[in-house]
Amino acid sequence: NAGVTQTPKFRVLKTGQSMTLLCAQDMNHEYMYWYRQDPGMGLRLIHYSVGEGTTAKGEVPDGYNVSRLKKQNFLLGLESAAPSQTSVYFCASSFYSQETQYFGPGTRLLVL
Amino acid sequence: AQSVTQLDSQVPVFEEAPVELRCNYSSSVSVYLFWYVQYPNQGLQLLLKYLSGSTLVKGINGFEAEFNKSQTSFHLRKPSVHISDTAEYFCAVFTSNTGKLIFGQGTTLQVKP
Repeated sequence: NAGVTQTPKFRVLKTGQSMTLLCAQDMNHEYMYWYRQDPGMGLRLIHYSVGEGTTAKGEVPDGYNVSRLKKQNFLLGLESAAPSQTSVYFCASSFYSQETQYFGPGTRLLVL
Repeated sequence: AQSVTQLDSQVPVFEEAPVELRCNYSSSVSVYLFWYVQYPNQGLQLLLKYLSGSTLVKGINGFEAEFNKSQTSFHLRKPSVHISDTAEYFCAVFTSNTGKLIFGQGTTLQVKP
């Protein structure tokens, strides 16, 4: 039981490049989330999904897109990376929205 | 709109001393409350949570927290800390009207020998 995994662990992009972050969970959770963590700002919700085929915007969705084609996977895309998107990205999942969220190990992204 | 405030950004403490990490929230509806811990270069993991019932909640690694509805607080305590407790701690609040978890800014606990 791997829990929540994230790929890649670290990435450097140039401004304007695109990339996709992959999150996978093996706990059969309905809900999945993408957060970004910046110093002194805690975690902020980017997008989330309440089930396969659904997505919704969180607190800071601009510049990001997501897809949930399979229940176990939640993809986060950056179409045209900007230096302001330099951050640590965490994926999480939960069975119900009010229940404990289980986090992945994070992806460190540096945009030059 | 609800918000979460962690009153201290850094808390230095000596090993075996007691510690309290403070968390206040604002919400006009009922809440569920969480404390998560993040060790260096890792993801977050749950320390404890309050959903209902007893206002004193016990978690892993000897931590506990008390929900105070009148003070809108959920402070985290440990009677005797270890070096291994050095980490960042996040308070988080879930409200049913938003369906989302809101995190505080985090408190860095630095345990010194």
